[in-house]
Amino acid sequence: QKEVEQNSGPLSVPEGAIASLNCTYSDRGSQSFFWYRQYSGKSPELIMSIYSNGDKEDGRFTAQLNKASQYVSLLIRDSQPSDSATYLCAVKSRNNFNKFYFGSGTKLNVKP
Amino acid sequence: KAGVTQTPRYLIKTRGQQVTLSCSPISGHRSVSWYQQTPGQGLQFLFEYFSETQRNKGNFPGRFSGRQFSNSRSEMNVSTLELGDSALYLCASSSSRGTTNEKLFFGSGTQLSVL
Repeated sequence: QKEVEQNSGPLSVPEGAIASLNCTYSDRGSQSFFWYRQYSGKSPELIMSIYSNGDKEDGRFTAQLNKASQYVSLLIRDSQPSDSATYLCAVKSRNNFNKFYFGSGTKLNVKP
Repeated sequence: KAGVTQTPRYLIKTRGQQVTLSCSPISGHRSVSWYQQTPGQGLQFLFEYFSETQRNKGNFPGRFSGRQFSNSRSEMNVSTLELGDSALYLCASSSSRGTTNEKLFFGSGTQLSVL
């Protein structure tokens, strides 16, 4: 079992719709969760971080965390073609060192 | 503030050769991590350095090694290159204050092609 699991997609949504990206993780003791966006040929860019159960909103992005279900999600409201990218879910291992586990990513296509 | 700088951007090598990649972290960041990204395996953790010491190591063979200098710059070395080493190698830096909300910031990566 992989530490972080994501549906590889592609997930296709029309422009203006809500895109919902999901991620599950295996280490129940994990405390830090991140979403990165990666455009083709580019490096990952941090877009959201979340540490406690519930929702965290930043502009059009909302991260949701449910530790009991070991589930993290990212909602993108009013999706734009420029949001088309691969979204990587990352979980920091429970110790204090910087070992992060990444999912394989979900490819999002936003159609005009 | 300058971001994470990786050099070179592209490398082409042949099997059996060795290669050295360089990474300069964000100013003030003391932790440098290296990841390998391939289409089939995604982002795989190689190792992490902090204050010139390797703190974490992933499941890669001993051909992959690294080091960190006193100015926090890091190098990664791959010896006896194999075709399967072709990948995007990403360096990430972090302030590493030991807090839960530690974040990774990535460089542009080095695209290595082994022929």
